[in-house]
Amino acid sequence: DSGVTQTPKHLITATGQRVTLRCSPRSGDLSVYWYQQSLDQGLQFLIQYYNGEERAKGNILERFSAQQFPDLHSELNLSSLELGDSALYFCASSVGGHTGVGELFFGEGSRLTVL
Amino acid sequence: QQPVQSPQAVILREGEDAVINCSSSKALYSVHWYRQKHGEAPVFLMILLKGGEQKGHEKISASFNEKKQQSSLYLTASQLSYSGTYFCGTEISGNTGKLIFGQGTTLQVKP
Repeated sequence: DSGVTQTPKHLITATGQRVTLRCSPRSGDLSVYWYQQSLDQGLQFLIQYYNGEERAKGNILERFSAQQFPDLHSELNLSSLELGDSALYFCASSVGGHTGVGELFFGEGSRLTVL
Repeated sequence: QQPVQSPQAVILREGEDAVINCSSSKALYSVHWYRQKHGEAPVFLMILLKGGEQKGHEKISASFNEKKQQSSLYLTASQLSYSGTYFCGTEISGNTGKLIFGQGTTLQVKP
Protein backbone atom coordinates (compact mmCIF):
# COMPACT_ATOMS: atom_id res chain seq x y z
CA ASP A 1 0.00 0.00 0.00
CA SER A 2 1.64 3.22 -1.20
CA GLY A 3 -0.55 5.45 0.91
CA VAL A 4 -1.95 7.20 -2.17
CA THR A 5 -5.69 6.77 -2.60
CA GLN A 6 -7.48 7.12 -5.91
CA THR A 7 -11.21 7.01 -6.53
CA PRO A 8 -13.06 5.66 -8.35
CA LYS A 9 -11.12 2.51 -9.21
CA HIS A 10 -13.24 1.85 -12.27
CA LEU A 11 -15.44 4.16 -14.29
CA ILE A 12 -17.49 3.49 -17.41
CA THR A 13 -19.05 6.38 -19.23
CA ALA A 14 -20.16 7.50 -22.67
CA THR A 15 -18.54 9.75 -25.23
CA GLY A 16 -19.16 13.41 -24.63
CA GLN A 17 -19.52 13.01 -20.89
CA ARG A 18 -17.47 14.54 -18.09
CA VAL A 19 -15.80 12.73 -15.20
CA THR A 20 -13.75 13.65 -12.16
CA LEU A 21 -10.98 11.49 -10.78
CA ARG A 22 -9.86 12.05 -7.23
CA CYS A 23 -6.51 11.54 -5.55
CA SER A 24 -5.45 11.76 -1.93
CA PRO A 25 -1.67 11.89 -1.57
CA ARG A 26 0.38 10.23 1.15
CA SER A 27 0.28 12.00 4.44
CA GLY A 28 2.87 14.78 4.38
CA ASP A 29 3.41 14.77 0.61
CA LEU A 30 2.95 18.16 -1.02
CA SER A 31 3.39 17.21 -4.67
CA VAL A 32 0.85 15.41 -6.79
CA TYR A 33 1.43 14.10 -10.30
CA TRP A 34 -1.06 12.77 -12.83
CA TYR A 35 -0.13 10.20 -15.48
CA GLN A 36 -2.14 8.52 -18.20
CA GLN A 37 -1.41 4.95 -19.24
CA SER A 38 -3.13 3.56 -22.31
CA LEU A 39 -3.02 -0.11 -23.32
CA ASP A 40 -0.06 0.16 -25.63
CA GLN A 41 1.49 3.27 -24.20
CA GLY A 42 3.85 4.00 -21.39
CA LEU A 43 3.19 6.49 -18.65
CA GLN A 44 2.29 9.83 -20.17
CA PHE A 45 2.89 12.78 -17.87
CA LEU A 46 -0.11 15.08 -17.64
CA ILE A 47 0.41 17.63 -14.88
CA GLN A 48 2.03 18.28 -11.52
CA TYR A 49 0.93 20.33 -8.53
CA TYR A 50 2.95 21.41 -5.55
CA ASN A 51 1.20 22.69 -2.45
CA GLY A 52 -1.82 23.86 -4.38
CA GLU A 53 0.02 25.44 -7.29
CA GLU A 54 0.45 24.06 -10.78
CA ARG A 55 4.15 23.44 -11.27
CA ALA A 56 4.56 21.50 -14.49
CA LYS A 57 2.43 20.62 -17.47
CA GLY A 58 2.91 17.75 -19.86
CA ASN A 59 0.79 16.43 -22.69
CA ILE A 60 -2.49 17.34 -21.10
CA LEU A 61 -5.36 18.00 -23.48
CA GLU A 62 -7.35 21.23 -23.23
CA ARG A 63 -10.41 19.11 -22.42
CA PHE A 64 -8.63 18.00 -19.26
CA SER A 65 -8.03 20.10 -16.20
CA ALA A 66 -6.79 19.51 -12.70
CA GLN A 67 -6.41 21.23 -9.39
CA GLN A 68 -4.98 20.63 -5.96
CA PHE A 69 -7.02 21.75 -3.00
CA PRO A 70 -5.88 23.28 0.33
CA ASP A 71 -6.12 19.84 1.97
CA LEU A 72 -3.70 18.67 -0.77
CA HIS A 73 -6.04 16.24 -2.46
CA SER A 74 -6.21 16.61 -6.21
CA GLU A 75 -8.84 16.15 -8.86
CA LEU A 76 -8.44 15.50 -12.56
CA ASN A 77 -11.41 16.58 -14.64
CA LEU A 78 -11.91 15.04 -18.06
CA SER A 79 -14.59 16.52 -20.29
CA SER A 80 -16.07 15.93 -23.75
CA LEU A 81 -14.76 12.41 -23.44
CA GLU A 82 -13.67 10.50 -26.52
CA LEU A 83 -13.06 6.81 -27.06
CA GLY A 84 -9.33 7.49 -27.06
CA ASP A 85 -9.47 8.80 -23.52
CA SER A 86 -10.02 5.27 -22.25
CA ALA A 87 -6.98 4.57 -20.11
CA LEU A 88 -5.64 3.99 -16.65
CA TYR A 89 -5.05 7.29 -14.87
CA PHE A 90 -2.46 7.23 -12.15
CA CYS A 91 -1.90 9.74 -9.44
CA ALA A 92 1.43 9.81 -7.68
CA SER A 93 2.70 11.87 -4.79
CA SER A 94 6.06 12.87 -3.46
CA VAL A 95 7.37 14.94 -0.60
CA GLY A 96 8.28 17.80 -2.95
CA GLY A 97 9.86 21.06 -1.96
CA HIS A 98 13.35 20.16 -3.05
CA THR A 99 15.29 20.03 -6.25
CA GLY A 100 14.20 17.24 -8.50
CA VAL A 101 11.10 15.06 -8.61
CA GLY A 102 12.15 12.55 -5.95
CA GLU A 103 10.60 9.19 -5.27
CA LEU A 104 7.04 8.92 -6.54
CA PHE A 105 4.43 6.85 -4.74
CA PHE A 106 1.73 5.75 -7.14
CA GLY A 107 -1.89 5.09 -6.37
CA GLU A 108 -3.62 2.03 -7.78
CA GLY A 109 -5.08 4.06 -10.61
CA SER A 110 -8.52 4.86 -11.95
CA ARG A 111 -9.49 2.85 -14.99
CA LEU A 112 -11.67 4.88 -17.31
CA THR A 113 -13.62 3.22 -20.09
CA VAL A 114 -15.38 5.45 -22.60
CA LEU A 115 -18.03 3.71 -24.69
CA GLN B 1 11.30 14.49 -24.94
CA GLN B 2 10.56 10.87 -24.18
CA PRO B 3 13.58 8.67 -23.40
CA VAL B 4 14.06 5.56 -25.49
CA GLN B 5 14.32 2.18 -23.84
CA SER B 6 15.80 -0.99 -25.26
CA PRO B 7 15.06 -3.77 -25.63
CA GLN B 8 11.27 -3.60 -25.75
CA ALA B 9 10.95 -7.07 -24.28
CA VAL B 10 13.17 -9.67 -22.67
CA ILE B 11 12.51 -13.29 -21.76
CA LEU B 12 14.85 -14.90 -19.26
CA ARG B 13 15.24 -18.07 -17.27
CA GLU B 14 15.62 -17.81 -13.52
CA GLY B 15 19.21 -17.04 -12.60
CA GLU B 16 20.05 -15.28 -15.86
CA ASP B 17 21.13 -11.67 -16.08
CA ALA B 18 19.56 -8.83 -18.04
CA VAL B 19 20.39 -5.28 -18.98
CA ILE B 20 17.82 -2.62 -19.85
CA ASN B 21 18.98 0.57 -21.47
CA CYS B 22 17.55 4.06 -21.42
CA SER B 23 18.80 6.88 -23.61
CA SER B 24 17.91 10.49 -24.09
CA SER B 25 18.65 13.05 -26.77
CA LYS B 26 18.79 15.79 -24.15
CA ALA B 27 21.20 16.44 -21.31
CA LEU B 28 19.79 14.89 -18.17
CA TYR B 29 19.59 15.95 -14.55
CA SER B 30 18.47 12.56 -13.31
CA VAL B 31 17.26 9.11 -14.30
CA HIS B 32 14.60 7.21 -12.36
CA TRP B 33 13.73 3.52 -12.58
CA TYR B 34 10.36 1.98 -11.77
CA ARG B 35 8.91 -1.50 -12.06
CA GLN B 36 5.27 -2.18 -12.78
CA LYS B 37 3.83 -5.64 -12.33
CA HIS B 38 0.80 -6.61 -14.34
CA GLY B 39 -2.33 -4.98 -12.98
CA GLU B 40 -0.42 -3.00 -10.36
CA ALA B 41 0.95 0.49 -9.91
CA PRO B 42 4.55 1.35 -10.75
CA VAL B 43 6.95 0.96 -7.84
CA PHE B 44 10.10 3.00 -7.34
CA LEU B 45 13.46 1.26 -7.72
CA MET B 46 16.08 4.01 -7.69
CA ILE B 47 17.15 7.48 -8.77
CA LEU B 48 20.49 8.35 -10.31
CA LEU B 49 21.68 11.92 -10.44
CA LYS B 50 24.12 13.26 -13.00
CA GLY B 51 27.65 12.47 -11.98
CA GLY B 52 27.92 8.91 -13.25
CA GLU B 53 26.98 7.26 -9.98
CA GLN B 54 25.89 3.70 -9.71
CA LYS B 55 23.25 2.48 -7.33
CA GLY B 56 22.06 -0.88 -6.17
CA HIS B 57 18.82 -2.33 -4.90
CA GLU B 58 19.20 -5.97 -3.88
CA LYS B 59 20.40 -7.67 -7.06
CA ILE B 60 19.26 -4.78 -9.22
CA SER B 61 21.70 -1.98 -9.92
CA ALA B 62 21.97 0.88 -12.37
CA SER B 63 24.46 3.25 -13.86
CA PHE B 64 24.16 6.69 -15.39
CA ASN B 65 26.55 7.89 -18.07
CA GLU B 66 26.07 11.64 -18.05
CA LYS B 67 28.18 12.24 -21.15
CA LYS B 68 26.17 9.81 -23.25
CA GLN B 69 22.83 10.64 -21.60
CA GLN B 70 22.31 6.96 -21.02
CA SER B 71 21.38 4.79 -18.10
CA SER B 72 21.42 1.05 -17.78
CA LEU B 73 19.55 -1.15 -15.33
CA TYR B 74 21.27 -4.40 -14.43
CA LEU B 75 19.28 -7.35 -13.13
CA THR B 76 21.54 -10.04 -11.77
CA ALA B 77 20.55 -13.67 -11.17
CA SER B 78 16.95 -12.84 -12.04
CA GLN B 79 14.11 -14.20 -9.95
CA LEU B 80 10.52 -14.88 -10.92
CA SER B 81 9.55 -11.82 -8.89
CA TYR B 82 11.52 -9.61 -11.29
CA SER B 83 8.92 -10.10 -14.01
CA GLY B 84 7.14 -6.94 -14.99
CA THR B 85 7.55 -3.80 -17.05
CA TYR B 86 10.49 -1.56 -16.27
CA PHE B 87 10.24 2.14 -16.95
CA CYS B 88 12.98 4.68 -16.94
CA GLY B 89 12.01 8.26 -16.26
CA THR B 90 14.15 11.27 -16.99
CA GLU B 91 14.41 14.85 -15.81
CA ILE B 92 16.28 17.42 -17.88
CA SER B 93 16.39 19.83 -14.97
CA GLY B 94 15.85 19.69 -11.25
CA ASN B 95 13.47 22.63 -11.48
CA THR B 96 10.89 21.51 -14.04
CA GLY B 97 8.89 19.08 -11.94
CA LYS B 98 8.56 16.90 -15.02
CA LEU B 99 9.44 13.23 -14.94
CA ILE B 100 9.04 11.79 -18.44
CA PHE B 101 8.91 8.03 -18.77
CA GLY B 102 10.10 5.83 -21.59
CA GLN B 103 7.81 3.35 -23.29
CA GLY B 104 8.83 0.53 -20.97
CA THR B 105 10.66 -2.78 -21.23
CA THR B 106 8.72 -5.94 -20.48
CA LEU B 107 10.72 -8.56 -18.63
CA GLN B 108 9.48 -12.09 -18.26
CA VAL B 109 11.38 -14.50 -16.06
CA LYS B 110 10.54 -18.15 -16.55
CA PRO B 111 11.30 -21.04 -14.16
